[in-house]
This record gives sequence, structure tokens and C-alpha cells, in this order.
Amino acid sequence: AQSVTQLGSHVSVSEGALVLLRCNYSSSVPPYLFWYVQYPNQGLQLLLKYTSAATLVKGINGFEAEFKKSETSFHLTKPSAHMSDAAEYFCAVSYGSGNTGKLIFGQGTTLQVKP
Amino acid sequence: EPEVTQTPSHQVTQMGQEVILRCVPISNHLYFYWYRQILGQKVEFLVSFYNNEISEKSEIFDDQFSVERPDGSNFTLKIRSTKLEDSAMYFCASSPGQAPGELFFGEGSRLTVL
Repeated sequence: AQSVTQLGSHVSVSEGALVLLRCNYSSSVPPYLFWYVQYPNQGLQLLLKYTSAATLVKGINGFEAEFKKSETSFHLTKPSAHMSDAAEYFCAVSYGSGNTGKLIFGQGTTLQVKP
Repeated sequence: EPEVTQTPSHQVTQMGQEVILRCVPISNHLYFYWYRQILGQKVEFLVSFYNNEISEKSEIFDDQFSVERPDGSNFTLKIRSTKLEDSAMYFCASSPGQAPGELFFGEGSRLTVL
């Protein structure tokens, strides 16, 4: 079965430090890949997506992610964390072509940013 | 900025009761979805809806669940006879449809079944 694994349910970084949130997917078919963010008391918001174009994808708020097929990974990074980045981050995949909204989510990673 | 709105934000119900969760998707979107997240677990796909019919549903979405778009603006999820294990956060989402996986989510409705 297709699945998404996020390593680390909680990640804590200092303000200004590198953010690295890990995501691996299981599939022999290249999927569409996404990172969603959920700020407190808000809905999930699309951060960035990979849809078979450039392997390095830039998203909102300075985040980027790199698709590595050989590692089946799509890790999320940001060079310098800001206090406002504290949120829960979800990696997700979608398979097949067309207008599919069926996403398979990872379990989420809570990012804590310390002053 | 247009947003997906959900009501109620929190509902407490007794086991066996019917529950209707309501969503107002973004007005020009064509695809509608329900997801749920049981506390401590992953966000799970329940159902997708397009052109007034279900386009895909998960194995979770059994006969106890139904969806409809009664008036062209609301999108509802009905659970006919709630069970304890239905306690979860339910997220509605919509998309314009052009880009796979680009969903706009509501803030969620927390359902607690006692």
C-alpha cells in the first residue's frame, strides 16, 4: 500500500537555525508530492508541491523541498527559522493523473521554534 | 481571500445519534472533499465529490456516511448513527480542479461522540 512517513513527530529548532523536516514515500510510480502546514486553529494550507517539473521546489515563507527519486524522499527545509514558522507540517502524496484530490498524508511533524 | 468555512467548530453527540457537518467551499471551486483526523493519527481521505456525485471514497466511508450538496453552496457530511470511533476532527476541502492535490481546507469540525 502507498504510504508516507515523516521522521520525527516533533522537531525543535532555535530561531535562525536550519529547519529540516523529513518525508519519505513508498511507491514505484512517481507521485505528486506536497507539503501542507497547519497553524494553530487554522485549516491545512498548501506550502509547496512537486509535480514532475523541477526537483527543487520553492514554496511560501522561504520553504523549499527537494524531490529525490533514488531516496524516495521529499524533505522540507528552510535556511533560517522564524518564530512564526511554529506549526504542524504534513507531507502528502497523490497518485495518478487528473484532478485527484485524494491525498495520502504522513503523520505530521510539529515544529517548535525557540527564541 | 476566499476561504472554506465549516460549522460547527465543535459538536458533542451521543452514540447512535445522527450528525451533520456543514461546509461552504470556495465559490468557484468544482471539487469537494472530506477528510478526518482521529486524535494522534494521520489525516485520512474520506470522500471526493464532483458534478453532484461521489467520485471516489475510501473504505472508511461506509453506509453510515453520506454527502450532499443540497443548494449549490453548502457541502455536507452526514453520519447516520455515530459510533465512539467516529470521534475525530473532520476537514472539508475544495479545489478548482486544475492542479492535482492543491486543496483548500477549512479549519475543521471536531466531533466528540460520547
